[in-house]
Amino acid sequence: KAGVTQTPRYLIKTRGQQVTLSCSPISGHRSVSWYQQTPGQGLQFLFEYFSETQRNKGNFPGRFSGRQFSNSRSEMNVSTLELGDSALYLCASSFGQNYGYTFGSGTRLTVV
Amino acid sequence: DQQVKQNSPSLSVQEGRISILNCDYTNSMFDYFLWYKKYPAEGPTFLISISSIKDKNEDGRFTVFLNKSAKHLSLHIVPSQPGDSAVYFCAASASGGYQKVTFGTGTKLQVIP
Repeated sequence: KAGVTQTPRYLIKTRGQQVTLSCSPISGHRSVSWYQQTPGQGLQFLFEYFSETQRNKGNFPGRFSGRQFSNSRSEMNVSTLELGDSALYLCASSFGQNYGYTFGSGTRLTVV
Repeated sequence: DQQVKQNSPSLSVQEGRISILNCDYTNSMFDYFLWYKKYPAEGPTFLISISSIKDKNEDGRFTVFLNKSAKHLSLHIVPSQPGDSAVYFCAASASGGYQKVTFGTGTKLQVIP
């Protein structure tokens, strides 16, 4: 079966721009979570969506937002990019709580 | 506030020996724990989990131990193989409502042939 698909794989943006990342979960998975990975910080939770509703949100500024569509696909948006936003952004889907996540390969965002 | 801590950023082990990766947590509400493995340029993959009602869970070469009183869990890999070289993330969540999964900072394991 198809895994979690994240697009694009790599992205280079300039400070001040905005970016939209996309995530297609495994078929049947209704929960989609987003994480930011930076060296030394592990995986920092951004937000989680279930059936188009944001259920949880991490401690990130309002520049980070997301949404989920009726087909469970999710997007995250980062506005007014800063150099510190350079990171690997990972999307994970699952059937629900206490089910293991399946992660996508991530989108590597570089802000210059 | 790092609620899940992996204090060893890296670990080197000889092939065939045991690898022990440690994880500590501070949130007493956590009752479900997971380990993920991550290779470069790939997303993390689920390895093994344990519920707080158990103190040990085995899956082949991988065993996770949970010490609730110490708020400590460990992942044992026996025997270690070069293909096990990766970054290992410990993660935890609390049941009841919709609780996020909190990850540690990761431990990079190198298995030396």
